[in-house]
Amino acid sequence: NAGVTQTPKFRILKIGQSMTLQCTQDMNHNYMYWYRQDPGMGLKLIYYSVGAGITDKGEVPNGYNVSRSTTEDFPLRLELAAPSQTSVYFCASSSWPGQGVSGYEQYFGPGTRLTVT
Amino acid sequence: AQSVTQLDSQVPVFEEAPVELRCNYSSSVSVYLFWYVQYPNQGLQLLLKYLSGSTLVKGINGFEAEFNKSQTSFHLRKPSVHISDTAEYFCAVIVYGGATNKLIFGTGTLLAVQP
Repeated sequence: NAGVTQTPKFRILKIGQSMTLQCTQDMNHNYMYWYRQDPGMGLKLIYYSVGAGITDKGEVPNGYNVSRSTTEDFPLRLELAAPSQTSVYFCASSSWPGQGVSGYEQYFGPGTRLTVT
Repeated sequence: AQSVTQLDSQVPVFEEAPVELRCNYSSSVSVYLFWYVQYPNQGLQLLLKYLSGSTLVKGINGFEAEFNKSQTSFHLRKPSVHISDTAEYFCAVIVYGGATNKLIFGTGTLLAVQP
């Protein structure tokens, strides 16, 4: 049981380039999330999904896109990368809230460190 | 809107000393509360959570937290810290009854344990 996996671990992009951050979970969780972490700012929610085919914006969605075609995968797409997108990106998953106390625990991947220059 | 405040950005402490990391939240409705730990260059790991029941919650690695509804606080404590506890600690909240299960994080507290 690998939990939540993210690729790549590190990436350097030039301004204007695009890329996709991959996230996969093997816990059959309905809910998946993308966060970015900036120094001194905590984690901010970019996008989330409550199931395959359903996504919604979080607190800081501008400059990003997501899709959810399967339960397991939740890729994050950066179009036209900008220096402001330099950050550490975390993917997380959880079961749905009605599934008892465990439904509220989010499981995090190891993160992707992205630098845009 | 809900928010989480961690008053201390950094807490230096000597090994084997007690520590308290403070967390306050703003919400007029019921919330679920969490503490996550992030070791250097790693993802976040759940330390403990309060959903209901006893207001004193015990977590992993000897940490505990107390939910205080009247003071809207959820402070994290450990009676004796180790060097290995050096990490960043995040307090987070989910608003009860929400359909989206979205976590709202505080800005984090870096616990720096010195020998």
